[in-house]
Amino acid sequence: GQNIDQPTEMTATEGAIVQINCTYQTSGFNGLFWYQQHAGEAPTFLSYNVLDCFEEKGRFSSFLSLSKVYSYLLLKELQMKDSASYLCAVRDSNYQLIWGAGTKLIIKP
Amino acid sequence: ETGVTQTPRHLVMGMTNKKSLKCEQHLGHNAMYWYKQSAKKPLELMFVYNFKEQTENNSVPSRFSPECPNSSHLFLHLHTLQPEDSALYLCASSQVPGGGADTQYFGPGTRLTVL
Repeated sequence: GQNIDQPTEMTATEGAIVQINCTYQTSGFNGLFWYQQHAGEAPTFLSYNVLDCFEEKGRFSSFLSLSKVYSYLLLKELQMKDSASYLCAVRDSNYQLIWGAGTKLIIKP
Repeated sequence: ETGVTQTPRHLVMGMTNKKSLKCEQHLGHNAMYWYKQSAKKPLELMFVYNFKEQTENNSVPSRFSPECPNSSHLFLHLHTLQPEDSALYLCASSQVPGGGADTQYFGPGTRLTVL
């Protein structure tokens, strides 16, 4: 079966750095997405990667290793507003999105 | 801020009621999606519409009935639901399904409670 694994919950301190990991087992691979979802709100797009890379967008960076079937989202200089769930999703060979259950990130002062 | 809106935001209904969820996208996209999001579970894709035609129905019970009158509007008609159907129902849209970096944009969801 197809599966996306990410930690259920993580806690970090304001101003620190946190890395949220995602490993996947899918039928084929056509890209990996990260979304942010604040409680009670819509998931919002953060990044898309299809090749091995480390991509920085401001305080957020995404990494992908196709050989290790692994990705991570790196958040720097954490702010309280970064408290949210972070969803990892992989597009399989049929171009279907396979979703992880999300990682709830709690930021403490 | 999102170009996808959903109404109502919250809905409480009995098992014998009939209600409808509405989604509207203002992004000029051609594909629309319904997802179910339950606590601590992955998003479950329910239906996909591409250019108003249903292209995906992921074994969803018939008590959920989608309708897509045009590329901008999507409805989910509900009848004789069960308590286990209580969840957040998310609508999303994308330029076209599949291919390249076709990103899905989500609405804020309807929190549904079935009593």
